Amino acid sequence: DQQVKQNSPSLSVQEGRISILNCDYTNSMFDYFLWYKKYPAEGPTFLISISSIKDKNEDGRFTVFLNKSAKHLSLHIVPSQPGDSAVYFCAALISNFGNEKLTFGTGTRLTIIP
Amino acid sequence: GAGVSQSPRYKVAKRGQDVALRCDPISGHVSLFWYQQALGQGPEFLTYFQNEAQLDKSGLPSDRFFAERPEGSVSTLKIQRTQQEDSAVYLCASSARDRYNQPQHFGDGTRLSIL
Repeated sequence: DQQVKQNSPSLSVQEGRISILNCDYTNSMFDYFLWYKKYPAEGPTFLISISSIKDKNEDGRFTVFLNKSAKHLSLHIVPSQPGDSAVYFCAALISNFGNEKLTFGTGTRLTIIP
Repeated sequence: GAGVSQSPRYKVAKRGQDVALRCDPISGHVSLFWYQQALGQGPEFLTYFQNEAQLDKSGLPSDRFFAERPEGSVSTLKIQRTQQEDSAVYLCASSARDRYNQPQHFGDGTRLSIL
């Protein structure tokens, strides 16, 4: 049972435009959400996160939106750059001082077209 | 460097052999996690250490999988009598434990291929 779902395996966006990556979850116990970026042959790199008490968090070109009632979050990248081409993983956790194991989605491959 | 280091980067073994994968976390990080990533999937949790204590091993797929962190720093994931379905990338992550929801920092993984 996939508790975190990324239904778009791939996405292509023109350089300079907005990239929107989506993620849905089923477990209502999740209270913290993260996005990781992964290049080939490298480990995932933390990008941005959001607590369930917020509906938006922004960091430079990256903004994450959370809709708790819909159990949906999205990552917006504006403007998109060629270096943003990577696989993006959505992850969720249940806050626990210590064992905050991550539950990942299956990833979305983002390609930025120059 | 200052990041999480994993070795070897690639490991090829014959079915039935035992393998050992090493993780060197970021210095001072109390929490250490192991994940397994199959092709085309997201990483899946295997086990968690707080210092030398293994507090959660609920994700280990069978008793052939064993992990240790005897001195609270370097960790080793051992797989005995490997099977073809063990082929995957094994990722190690570490995080500080000084407040809630510290992001986990990942190593580049060990790609394990079982022939």
